[in-house]
Amino acid sequence: AQKVTQAQTEISVVEKEDVTLDCVYETRDTTYYLFWYKQPPSGELVFLIRRNSFDEQNEISGRYSWNFQKSTSSFNFTITASQVVDSAVYFCALTLNTGGFKTIFGAGTRLFVKA
Amino acid sequence: GAGVSQSPSNKVTEKGKDVELRCDPISGHTALYWYRQSLGQGLEFLIYFQGNSAPDKSGLPSDRFSAERTGGSVSTLTIQRTQQEDSAVYLCASSLNRSPGETQYFGPGTRLLVL
Repeated sequence: AQKVTQAQTEISVVEKEDVTLDCVYETRDTTYYLFWYKQPPSGELVFLIRRNSFDEQNEISGRYSWNFQKSTSSFNFTITASQVVDSAVYFCALTLNTGGFKTIFGAGTRLFVKA
Repeated sequence: GAGVSQSPSNKVTEKGKDVELRCDPISGHTALYWYRQSLGQGLEFLIYFQGNSAPDKSGLPSDRFSAERTGGSVSTLTIQRTQQEDSAVYLCASSLNRSPGETQYFGPGTRLLVL
């Protein structure tokens, strides 16, 4: 079975703190794709990053960084020096290469960044 | 268009009535997805279109739900005999082609409330 687990339901930090959002996935497929999306209060999901299962290289984009580890089936997301505008719900998602390309989303982590 | 558009943005209906939700994907995007997001929940996959065909309908929760796509563009999600548990935000997304690694671009959603 395929599954995405975001164990953190809500996280609250003070501005300028670093915060890591955890994502653990389950699949037996060898080819798959992992995504992070941000859903601000406006409601529209915004794509942040995509990783395929053959690319374990970590990535940094400005204040965002992602740590993909196949050994632990994790794809964690870190925001450095958080800002109030980072307040949103963040979703981790898994898309398989088979079965109609269904995308499975985690339950999301709600991040509150206080000034 | 510039992005995925959905209409109506909000819909209030009475239990037992039928509703139609519309999605207009990004021009040139051949893949189209429907998701449902219930209050405080993650995203639940409903159906996926490649062109006009729907190779994966596995997520439709009951036979009251149906979707079609004509001309490889606009899609309509129909819910017949609505129930209160159908209340949710219905999100549509599109991607350029049928590769599972393609980024999905989401619309603003339709907020459905069944009284």
